[in-house]
Amino acid sequence: AQSVTQPDIHITVSEGASLELRCNYSYGATPYLFWYVQSPGQGLQLLLKYFSGDTLVQGIKGFEAEFKRSQSSFNLRKPSVHWSDAAEYFCAVGPINSGYSTLTFGKGTMLLVSP
Amino acid sequence: DVKVTQSSRYLVKRTGEKVFLECVQDMDHENMFWYRQDPGLGLRLIYFSYDVKMKEKGDIPEGYSVSREKKERFSLILESASTNQTSMYLCASSSDRENSPLHFGNGTRLTVT
Repeated sequence: AQSVTQPDIHITVSEGASLELRCNYSYGATPYLFWYVQSPGQGLQLLLKYFSGDTLVQGIKGFEAEFKRSQSSFNLRKPSVHWSDAAEYFCAVGPINSGYSTLTFGKGTMLLVSP
Repeated sequence: DVKVTQSSRYLVKRTGEKVFLECVQDMDHENMFWYRQDPGLGLRLIYFSYDVKMKEKGDIPEGYSVSREKKERFSLILESASTNQTSMYLCASSSDRENSPLHFGNGTRLTVT
């Protein structure tokens, strides 16, 4: 069965500092990988996704993520964090071409941004 | 831009009440989903639908049912609400196009007292 681990429940980063949120997955083949962000009181918004091809994926709001098959990881990065990035971030994994009913979400990482 | 609208942001209901959570999407998406979000547990799939009048159980369907009479509307029903169903409920939709993303509503926070 597929699974997703986000090892950090909370992370605090100073504004302007770089950010890396970790995501490890367990899946038998090449999966679909996603990062979503949830601002307080809002639904989830897609930041970026990996289906195939270039393992470094660019997303919205200056985020990027790198798929590393050897490490079963899909870590999210941003070079300089803004206060508006404070939110909860979810990594998700699913089998290719099987639809979203089989998508598995991680438990989330809450990002706090300090001044 | 795709819009997924959940009719209520906050609901407070009593134990034993029948509760309807409504979700409407405006992009003619084939697929619709109901998730439950709880702290420390992430998102868990309750039910989903790939077509009108079609429904499939997700990972935690117990205590819930759904209705999809029209393509744009997907309702989650709690037949007899219980306190352990206090949670944030998220509706989502997607199209059948390859690599189509999943679009979420803003959620309904349900409290059962």
